Amino acid sequence: QVQLVESGGGVVQPGRSLRLSCAASGFTFSSSAIHWVRQAPGKGLEWVAFISYDGSRKYYADSVKGRFTISRDNSKNTLYLQMNSLRTEDAAVYYCAKDRTDTWSFDSWGQGTLVTVSS
Amino acid sequence: QSALTQPASVSGSPGQSITVSCTGTSGDIGNYNLVSWYQQHPGKVPKLMIYEVSKRPSGVPDRFSGSKSGNTASLTISGLQAEDEADYYCNSFTTSDTWVFGGGTKLTVL
Repeated sequence: QVQLVESGGGVVQPGRSLRLSCAASGFTFSSSAIHWVRQAPGKGLEWVAFISYDGSRKYYADSVKGRFTISRDNSKNTLYLQMNSLRTEDAAVYYCAKDRTDTWSFDSWGQGTLVTVSS
Repeated sequence: QSALTQPASVSGSPGQSITVSCTGTSGDIGNYNLVSWYQQHPGKVPKLMIYEVSKRPSGVPDRFSGSKSGNTASLTISGLQAEDEADYYCNSFTTSDTWVFGGGTKLTVL
Protein backbone atom coordinates (compact mmCIF):
# COMPACT_ATOMS: atom_id res chain seq x y z
CA GLN A 1 0.00 0.00 0.00
CA VAL A 2 1.02 3.63 -0.36
CA GLN A 3 3.43 4.73 2.33
CA LEU A 4 4.88 8.20 2.84
CA VAL A 5 7.33 8.76 5.68
CA GLU A 6 8.52 12.26 6.53
CA SER A 7 11.67 13.03 8.45
CA GLY A 8 13.98 15.93 9.21
CA GLY A 9 11.81 17.96 11.53
CA GLY A 10 13.13 19.44 14.74
CA VAL A 11 13.80 22.63 16.65
CA VAL A 12 15.50 25.44 14.74
CA GLN A 13 16.17 29.09 15.47
CA PRO A 14 14.53 31.84 13.41
CA GLY A 15 16.53 32.63 10.30
CA ARG A 16 18.10 29.18 10.12
CA SER A 17 17.50 26.38 7.62
CA LEU A 18 16.10 22.87 7.70
CA ARG A 19 15.58 20.17 5.08
CA LEU A 20 12.65 17.80 5.25
CA SER A 21 12.51 14.46 3.44
CA CYS A 22 9.62 12.24 2.46
CA ALA A 23 10.37 8.61 1.58
CA ALA A 24 7.77 7.00 -0.64
CA SER A 25 6.87 3.39 -1.29
CA GLY A 26 3.97 1.27 -2.50
CA PHE A 27 3.31 3.22 -5.68
CA THR A 28 5.13 4.46 -8.76
CA PHE A 29 6.77 7.52 -7.25
CA SER A 30 8.25 8.70 -10.55
CA SER A 31 4.74 8.96 -12.03
CA SER A 32 3.17 10.91 -9.18
CA ALA A 33 2.97 14.58 -8.33
CA ILE A 34 3.51 15.32 -4.65
CA HIS A 35 2.64 18.19 -2.31
CA TRP A 36 3.79 19.53 1.01
CA VAL A 37 1.00 20.62 3.35
CA ARG A 38 1.49 22.00 6.84
CA GLN A 39 -0.60 22.42 9.95
CA ALA A 40 0.36 24.72 12.79
CA PRO A 41 -0.51 23.41 16.26
CA GLY A 42 -4.25 23.69 16.80
CA LYS A 43 -4.75 25.33 13.41
CA GLY A 44 -6.01 24.37 9.98
CA LEU A 45 -4.32 22.91 6.94
CA GLU A 46 -2.17 25.11 4.70
CA TRP A 47 -0.92 24.04 1.29
CA VAL A 48 2.81 24.76 0.93
CA ALA A 49 4.25 23.45 -2.32
CA PHE A 50 3.74 21.15 -5.32
CA ILE A 51 6.11 19.31 -7.61
CA SER A 52 5.15 17.47 -10.77
CA TYR A 53 6.08 13.84 -11.36
CA ASP A 54 9.26 14.77 -13.20
CA GLY A 55 10.17 17.88 -11.24
CA SER A 56 9.59 20.18 -14.19
CA ARG A 57 6.81 22.15 -12.51
CA LYS A 58 7.00 23.58 -9.02
CA TYR A 59 4.46 25.83 -7.35
CA TYR A 60 4.58 27.52 -3.96
CA ALA A 61 2.30 29.30 -1.54
CA ASP A 62 3.01 33.02 -1.32
CA SER A 63 3.89 32.56 2.36
CA VAL A 64 6.95 30.45 1.50
CA LYS A 65 7.89 31.58 -2.00
CA GLY A 66 11.55 32.55 -2.22
CA ARG A 67 12.39 30.80 1.04
CA PHE A 68 11.36 27.17 0.48
CA THR A 69 12.39 24.87 -2.36
CA ILE A 70 10.69 21.61 -3.24
CA SER A 71 12.63 18.93 -5.07
CA ARG A 72 12.61 15.21 -5.69
CA ASP A 73 14.94 12.35 -6.48
CA ASN A 74 13.00 9.74 -8.41
CA SER A 75 15.94 7.33 -8.24
CA LYS A 76 15.58 7.34 -4.45
CA ASN A 77 11.79 7.64 -4.29
CA THR A 78 12.27 10.66 -2.08
CA LEU A 79 10.78 14.15 -1.90
CA TYR A 80 12.49 17.09 -0.22
CA LEU A 81 11.61 20.49 1.17
CA GLN A 82 14.50 22.87 1.76
CA MET A 83 13.37 25.55 4.17
CA ASN A 84 15.53 28.65 4.51
CA SER A 85 15.10 31.86 6.51
CA LEU A 86 12.67 30.13 8.83
CA ARG A 87 10.19 32.23 10.76
CA THR A 88 8.23 31.50 13.90
CA GLU A 89 5.08 31.28 11.77
CA ASP A 90 6.58 28.36 9.84
CA ALA A 91 6.27 26.16 12.94
CA ALA A 92 3.93 23.30 12.06
CA VAL A 93 3.57 19.63 11.30
CA TYR A 94 4.65 19.18 7.69
CA TYR A 95 2.94 16.46 5.67
CA CYS A 96 3.86 15.16 2.27
CA ALA A 97 0.78 14.19 0.30
CA LYS A 98 0.48 12.30 -2.95
CA ASP A 99 -1.59 13.90 -5.66
CA ARG A 100 -4.44 11.75 -6.91
CA THR A 101 -3.56 11.58 -10.57
CA ASP A 102 -5.06 14.37 -12.65
CA THR A 103 -7.53 15.37 -9.94
CA TRP A 104 -5.44 17.90 -7.99
CA SER A 105 -6.46 16.35 -4.69
CA PHE A 106 -4.38 14.73 -1.97
CA ASP A 107 -5.19 11.04 -1.69
CA SER A 108 -2.42 9.72 0.56
CA TRP A 109 -0.68 11.47 3.42
CA GLY A 110 2.35 10.78 5.54
CA GLN A 111 2.25 10.95 9.32
CA GLY A 112 3.99 14.31 9.30
CA THR A 113 7.14 15.75 10.84
CA LEU A 114 7.08 18.56 13.40
CA VAL A 115 9.08 21.73 12.81
CA THR A 116 9.50 24.08 15.76
CA VAL A 117 10.98 27.53 15.15
CA SER A 118 12.09 29.13 18.37
CA SER A 119 14.99 31.05 19.76
CA GLN B 1 -4.24 33.31 -1.70
CA SER B 2 -7.03 33.97 0.80
CA ALA B 3 -8.36 30.89 2.53
CA LEU B 4 -11.73 29.51 1.49
CA THR B 5 -14.50 30.36 3.95
CA GLN B 6 -16.08 27.59 6.01
CA PRO B 7 -18.29 27.79 9.10
CA ALA B 8 -16.28 27.20 12.25
CA SER B 9 -18.67 24.55 13.49
CA VAL B 10 -21.75 22.55 12.60
CA SER B 11 -23.65 19.97 14.58
CA GLY B 12 -26.31 17.34 14.12
CA SER B 13 -27.88 14.36 15.80
CA PRO B 14 -27.28 10.76 14.75
CA GLY B 15 -29.26 9.91 11.65
CA GLN B 16 -29.68 13.51 10.59
CA SER B 17 -28.05 15.25 7.63
CA ILE B 18 -25.68 18.18 7.79
CA THR B 19 -24.10 20.37 5.15
CA VAL B 20 -20.78 22.18 5.35
CA SER B 21 -20.34 25.11 2.99
CA CYS B 22 -17.10 26.32 1.47
CA THR B 23 -17.07 29.71 -0.23
CA GLY B 24 -14.35 30.86 -2.56
CA THR B 25 -14.05 33.14 -5.56
CA SER B 26 -14.06 33.04 -9.33
CA GLY B 27 -10.32 32.44 -9.06
CA ASP B 28 -10.70 29.09 -7.36
CA ILE B 29 -13.97 27.23 -6.73
CA GLY B 30 -15.83 29.18 -9.37
CA ASN B 31 -13.29 28.45 -12.08
CA TYR B 32 -12.61 24.74 -11.69
CA ASN B 33 -14.37 21.52 -10.72
CA LEU B 34 -11.32 20.72 -8.60
CA VAL B 35 -12.77 20.95 -5.11
CA SER B 36 -11.84 18.28 -2.59
CA TRP B 37 -12.83 17.59 1.01
CA TYR B 38 -10.81 16.10 3.86
CA GLN B 39 -11.79 14.58 7.18
CA GLN B 40 -9.40 14.84 10.10
CA HIS B 41 -9.97 13.21 13.46
CA PRO B 42 -8.03 14.66 16.43
CA GLY B 43 -4.38 13.68 16.28
CA LYS B 44 -4.85 11.88 12.98
CA VAL B 45 -3.81 12.43 9.39
CA PRO B 46 -6.29 14.04 6.98
CA LYS B 47 -8.27 11.67 4.79
CA LEU B 48 -9.58 12.41 1.31
CA MET B 49 -13.39 12.14 1.30
CA ILE B 50 -14.43 13.87 -1.92
CA TYR B 51 -12.50 14.94 -5.03
CA GLU B 52 -13.48 16.78 -8.19
CA VAL B 53 -16.47 18.31 -6.38
CA SER B 54 -18.57 15.16 -6.02
CA LYS B 55 -16.52 12.00 -6.55
CA ARG B 56 -15.85 9.59 -3.72
CA PRO B 57 -12.68 7.50 -3.43
CA SER B 58 -13.25 3.82 -2.89
CA GLY B 59 -13.98 3.06 0.72
CA VAL B 60 -15.71 6.34 1.50
CA PRO B 61 -19.34 5.72 2.47
CA ASP B 62 -21.98 7.02 0.08
CA ARG B 63 -23.38 9.01 3.01
CA PHE B 64 -20.79 11.59 2.01
CA SER B 65 -21.60 13.69 -1.04
CA GLY B 66 -20.34 16.89 -2.57
CA SER B 67 -21.72 19.59 -4.81
CA LYS B 68 -20.93 23.04 -6.14
CA SER B 69 -22.85 26.11 -7.20
CA GLY B 70 -20.99 29.14 -8.45
CA ASN B 71 -18.23 30.02 -6.00
CA THR B 72 -19.56 27.80 -3.21
CA ALA B 73 -18.97 24.10 -2.67
CA SER B 74 -20.79 21.94 -0.16
CA LEU B 75 -20.20 18.69 1.66
CA THR B 76 -23.29 16.83 2.85
CA ILE B 77 -23.22 13.97 5.30
CA SER B 78 -26.46 12.06 5.56
CA GLY B 79 -27.37 9.49 8.19
CA LEU B 80 -24.93 11.11 10.61
CA GLN B 81 -22.92 8.67 12.74
CA ALA B 82 -20.84 9.20 15.85
CA GLU B 83 -17.62 8.41 13.99
CA ASP B 84 -18.28 11.29 11.61
CA GLU B 85 -17.37 13.72 14.38
CA ALA B 86 -14.19 15.35 13.10
CA ASP B 87 -12.79 18.44 11.42
CA TYR B 88 -13.57 18.88 7.74
CA TYR B 89 -11.53 20.94 5.28
CA CYS B 90 -12.33 21.95 1.73
CA ASN B 91 -9.66 22.63 -0.85
CA SER B 92 -9.54 24.02 -4.37
CA PHE B 93 -7.02 24.49 -7.12
CA THR B 94 -6.67 28.15 -8.14
CA THR B 95 -5.95 30.20 -11.23
CA SER B 96 -2.58 31.08 -9.71
CA ASP B 97 -1.47 27.43 -9.96
CA THR B 98 -1.74 27.06 -6.22
CA TRP B 99 -4.08 25.21 -3.89
CA VAL B 100 -6.07 26.79 -1.07
CA PHE B 101 -7.74 25.21 1.96
CA GLY B 102 -10.71 26.39 3.92
CA GLY B 103 -10.26 27.23 7.58
CA GLY B 104 -11.91 24.00 8.65
CA THR B 105 -15.25 23.08 10.19
CA LYS B 106 -15.64 21.17 13.41
CA LEU B 107 -18.52 18.70 13.18
CA THR B 108 -20.11 17.71 16.46
CA VAL B 109 -22.47 14.74 16.58
CA LEU B 110 -24.87 15.46 19.42
